Amino acid sequence: QKEVEQDPGPLSVPEGAIVSLNCTYSNSAFQYFMWYRQYSRKGPELLMYTYSSGNKEDGRFTAQVDKSSKYISLFIRDSQPSDSATYLCAMSPYNQGGKLIFGQGTELSVKP
Amino acid sequence: DAGITQSPRYKITETGRQVTLMCHQTWSHSYMFWYRQDLGHGLRLIYYSAAADITDKGEVPDGYVVSRSKTENFPLTLESATRSQTSVYFCASGAARPGAVDGYTFGSGTRLTVV
Repeated sequence: QKEVEQDPGPLSVPEGAIVSLNCTYSNSAFQYFMWYRQYSRKGPELLMYTYSSGNKEDGRFTAQVDKSSKYISLFIRDSQPSDSATYLCAMSPYNQGGKLIFGQGTELSVKP
Repeated sequence: DAGITQSPRYKITETGRQVTLMCHQTWSHSYMFWYRQDLGHGLRLIYYSAAADITDKGEVPDGYVVSRSKTENFPLTLESATRSQTSVYFCASGAARPGAVDGYTFGSGTRLTVV
């Protein structure tokens, strides 16, 4: 079993829809949670970052962490065609240096 | 130009050959990483480095060698390339542990094909 599980999709939604992306994990030592966005043939770029449990909002994006359920989510409101990309969750334990463990990534397509 | 650069962008090599992928960052970040990205596996950590002369294995280190004699460079060498090492390789760097707000920055990747 992988430490981080993420549904690879693909996920296709109409423009303006609310998108929900999710990851589950098994390692209770994970303390830092991130979402990266990756456009085709580009490197991943940091989108959202949260520490421990709770919510964080940035414009149309909201990241949620539920450590009791070992479950994290990224919500995209009013989705745009420019949001079409692969979204990767990433996590790091507090006691293993700087390593980031990634989910498989979910491919999202927002149709005009 | 400031940033993180990988070279080459594309590489085709033959089975058994040694190949080195280069990574250079201009921020003097302490942490540097090598990941490979494959369909169905996402990003998997090969090696990482917390500082010059300090390296450690990640999830899939077999067949790879790294060195970090200077803070800004972190080359990845495939000692004897195999077809299973055909992948897209990403280098990343960061100033501190993932708890830093700015996280890690990735390069544009090297697409390696082993024939």
